Amino acid sequence: DGGITQSPKYLFRKEGQNVTLSCEQNLNHDAMYWYRQDPGQGLRLIYYSQIVNDFQKGDIAEGYSVSREKKESFPLTVTSAQKNPTAFYLCASSIKQGSGNQPQHFGDGTRLSIL
Amino acid sequence: LAKTTQPISMDSYEGQEVNITCSHNNIATNDYITWYQQFPSQGPRFIIQGYKTKVTNEVASLFIPADRKSSTLSLPRVSLSDTAVYYCLVGFQKLVFGTGTRLLVSP
Repeated sequence: DGGITQSPKYLFRKEGQNVTLSCEQNLNHDAMYWYRQDPGQGLRLIYYSQIVNDFQKGDIAEGYSVSREKKESFPLTVTSAQKNPTAFYLCASSIKQGSGNQPQHFGDGTRLSIL
Repeated sequence: LAKTTQPISMDSYEGQEVNITCSHNNIATNDYITWYQQFPSQGPRFIIQGYKTKVTNEVASLFIPADRKSSTLSLPRVSLSDTAVYYCLVGFQKLVFGTGTRLLVSP
C-alpha cells in the first residue's frame, strides 16, 4: 500500500536539544514538503524539495534544517534555534513540485512537545 | 500567491447538502483550485480539484464560475463523519493553506 509514513507520532524534546522527524514515502514522488500546524491554524510551509539533493526554504524555515539524500526520504531537524517548536508537523509529497494539478499527499503527522 | 477567504465555521445536520464557498479574487491563469479535508491529529486528505466549470467525484462536487474568482465545494447528504476542517487552496507553484472552514455535522 503506497503512502507517506511519519515517525514517531509523538515526540518530546528538552529545551536546547535538536530533534529529527522522519518522513518516508513509497509513492515514487519527486517533490516533498514539510509543514507546521499550530492549534486552530492552517498549515505553514517550512521546507520543500523538488528533487534529490535539492531543497528550498518555505515561509518559516528559521530554526529548521532538512536533507534529501534519497528520493523516498525527507527528514526534518528541529534545532535549538527554533524558539517555539511545539507544534504538529506534517510531511507531504507530490508527483512533482510546480504541477498545480498534482495534489499533495500527506502523512499523519508528528506532534512535538517541549518538556 | 492567490489568497483565499472561507467562512470560519459552518453547522449542518445529517442528510443535508453542505456548500462551502471560497473567494479567490486574484487567482492566476495557471492556478488550480484544490480542496482538502482534515480531521484532528491527522494530515489533510485531498477531496477534489478543478480548473473551471464543474467537477464531480464520488465524495463531492466543485463548482467554479466563469470568472474563477470563487469556488463552491458541495458535499451531498453529509454524515457525522464529515465533521472536519475543509481547506480551499489556490495555486500552481506553491500552495498556501488558510485557516479553513470548520464544519460541524449534528444528528
